[in-house]
Amino acid sequence: QKEVEQDPGPLSVPEGAIVSLNCTYSNSAFQYFMWYRQYSRKGPELLMYTYSSGNKEDGRFTAQVDKSSKYISLFIRDSQPSDSATYLCAMSPIGGGSYIPTFGRGTSLIVHP
Amino acid sequence: DAGVTQSPTHLIKTRGQQVTLRCSPKSGHDTVSWYQQALGQGPQFIFQYYEEEERQRGNFPDRFSGHQFPNYSSELNVNALLLGDSALYLCASSPDGRNEKLFFGSGTQLSVL
Repeated sequence: QKEVEQDPGPLSVPEGAIVSLNCTYSNSAFQYFMWYRQYSRKGPELLMYTYSSGNKEDGRFTAQVDKSSKYISLFIRDSQPSDSATYLCAMSPIGGGSYIPTFGRGTSLIVHP
Repeated sequence: DAGVTQSPTHLIKTRGQQVTLRCSPKSGHDTVSWYQQALGQGPQFIFQYYEEEERQRGNFPDRFSGHQFPNYSSELNVNALLLGDSALYLCASSPDGRNEKLFFGSGTQLSVL
């Protein structure tokens, strides 16, 4: 079993839909959670990050963390064709060391007009 | 302000050959990490360089080696190439040896025939 599980999709939605992307993890040491967006033939770009359980909102994006269930989500409201990309969750421990993030395999999102 | 730049963008090699990939970090960043991203997978951590030393290493064989120069740029070397080394190689930079916010380059697509 991988430390971070993520459904690869693809997830296809119409423009304007609310998108829910999810990851589960098994390592209780993970305390810092990130979402990266990766367009085709590009490197990942940090979209959101959070340390705590609960919700964090940034524009059309909301990151949600449930540490008790080891489950994180990214919600995209009013999705646009420009949101079509692969979304990677990543997570790491925190503390005194420079912990390296562990990535999920990514979910491919297609938003069609 | 230039972001992370990688060269070359594409490379084709044959089994057994050696390859060198190059990375210039984002301005103000002194830490460089290298990742391997196979098709349909998330980035896998290879190693990290900080203050010209390999600081952390992922689960990759000694065929993978690197270097960081005084100007913080970095090289990734892979010897005795295998077909399984075909992947997108990503360089990420960050400040002060930390990994909370990684800035990725667009990667080098390596094909081993």
